[in-house]
Amino acid sequence: SQQGEEDPQALSIQEGENATMNCSYKTSINNLQWYRQNSGRGLVHLILIRSNEREKHSGRLRVTLDTSKKSSSLLITASRAADTASYFCAPSGYSTLTFGKGTMLLVSP
Amino acid sequence: NAGVMQNPRHLVRRRGQEARLRCSPMKGHSHVYWYRQLPEEGLKFMVYLQKENIIDESGMPKERFSAEFPKEGPSILRIQQVVRGDSAAYFCASSLTIDRPYEQYFGPGTRLTVT
Repeated sequence: SQQGEEDPQALSIQEGENATMNCSYKTSINNLQWYRQNSGRGLVHLILIRSNEREKHSGRLRVTLDTSKKSSSLLITASRAADTASYFCAPSGYSTLTFGKGTMLLVSP
Repeated sequence: NAGVMQNPRHLVRRRGQEARLRCSPMKGHSHVYWYRQLPEEGLKFMVYLQKENIIDESGMPKERFSAEFPKEGPSILRIQQVVRGDSAAYFCASSLTIDRPYEQYFGPGTRLTVT
C-alpha cells in the first residue's frame, strides 16, 4: 500500500470561505479516497474518485484527480464551523489503505 | 443499523500487562482492519482480517501483537506485555466487499494508555 501526503499541514479560514487541500502520491492507483476525522473520533469516509475520473462532486465537496501529476485536491465550499476536522487522503491500489498525517482544518465563526 | 463498535473506549494498563481491544464490524461486513494512531500522526495500517483468516499483517509489530477474527464474535487485537510506546488510539474499520474500490467504515477507537 502507499501513503498520500496532504498539504498544507494546517489551514485556518473564516466561515463561508472555501478550503482547498491537496494530496500527492507516488505510484499508480486504482482510486483515491478522502476521509475526515473529528477530534478524538474515527475516520468518516467522504468521497471516492476512481483513477479514470477527473472530478467528482458531493454536496459542498469537490474532488479532482490528476493521475499524470499524481495529485488530488479536495475543495470544501462555503465552509462551516462544523467542517473543523483533520482531512486525510488514501490513494488505493490493490491493497489496504494507508493514511498520511492529514490537513488540520480550522473554520472560525 | 449499528456502525462499527469498539470497546473499551478507554483502556489504562501498567507496563507488562496485556491489553485486549474488541471490534464488532458493521452488520453484514466480513472484512476488518486495525489501525494505530499516535498523537499528531495519521493512521497506520496494522492488519486486515476476514473471518478466521489473517489476510495482511504487514503493519503489525513482529512481537507482542496479535489479532484474530473468529467465526463468531468480535475481532480482537491483543497486545502482550505493553510498553509506554504502545500508548495510542487504535481504530478498527470494516468493509462490505472485497471488490475494489471499497469504502471502510471506522469505529470510534480505543484509547490505550500505558502507565
